[in-house]
Amino acid sequence: GIQVEQSPPDLILQEGANSTLRCNFSDSVNNLQWFHQNPWGQLINLFYIPSGTKQNGRLSATTVATERYSLLYISSSQTTDSGVYFCAALRGAAGNKLTFGGGTRVLVKP
Amino acid sequence: EPEVTQTPSHQVTQMGQEVILRCVPISNHLYFYWYRQILGQKVEFLVSFYNNEISEKSEIFDDQFSVERPDGSNFTLKIRSTKLEDSAMYFCASSERQFSDTQYFGPGTRLTVL
Repeated sequence: GIQVEQSPPDLILQEGANSTLRCNFSDSVNNLQWFHQNPWGQLINLFYIPSGTKQNGRLSATTVATERYSLLYISSSQTTDSGVYFCAALRGAAGNKLTFGGGTRVLVKP
Repeated sequence: EPEVTQTPSHQVTQMGQEVILRCVPISNHLYFYWYRQILGQKVEFLVSFYNNEISEKSEIFDDQFSVERPDGSNFTLKIRSTKLEDSAMYFCASSERQFSDTQYFGPGTRLTVL
């Protein structure tokens, strides 16, 4: 199956700082999603982005499908951005399941 | 925006007991999924369901697990005889199309097996 690796595993930011999270995947994908897991454990959909660039407020994401990676940018971070960020990929030829990476744990300090 | 809902939010059970976790997928979606996350670990796929049949399942999804769509709106996951290692957050998800489409996740059910 497809392998999904995220880096860095942990990130500590001062409020207001910018950051980049990376997701590498081992094969071509039909689906690439980014999630934020909040302190209550809920998985919040951030982006569906198998290719290209999208922006939503202070968050943006870019997937370079030909090079098999995706980046999540957090700008002007706030304490509410704290939590774990997961990327997940799906390769249709291998079934319709999302394979999750190990996550990046982000702590934004005031 | 339509949401996937799950009940209960938290369930505590004794080892060996049966549990049923319930989900209401988004109404026009055709593909349904269960995932789980053991505390501190990554989210893992359990099973996918389409047209009243299991379309794919993982090695985790053994004979102790079953899924059902008992009516036009609910999608359930049953664990027949719970084990301590079944303690996890269970997420239901749904999508309109099979591959190139967003999977929308519910808020999860935290299952604690004592």
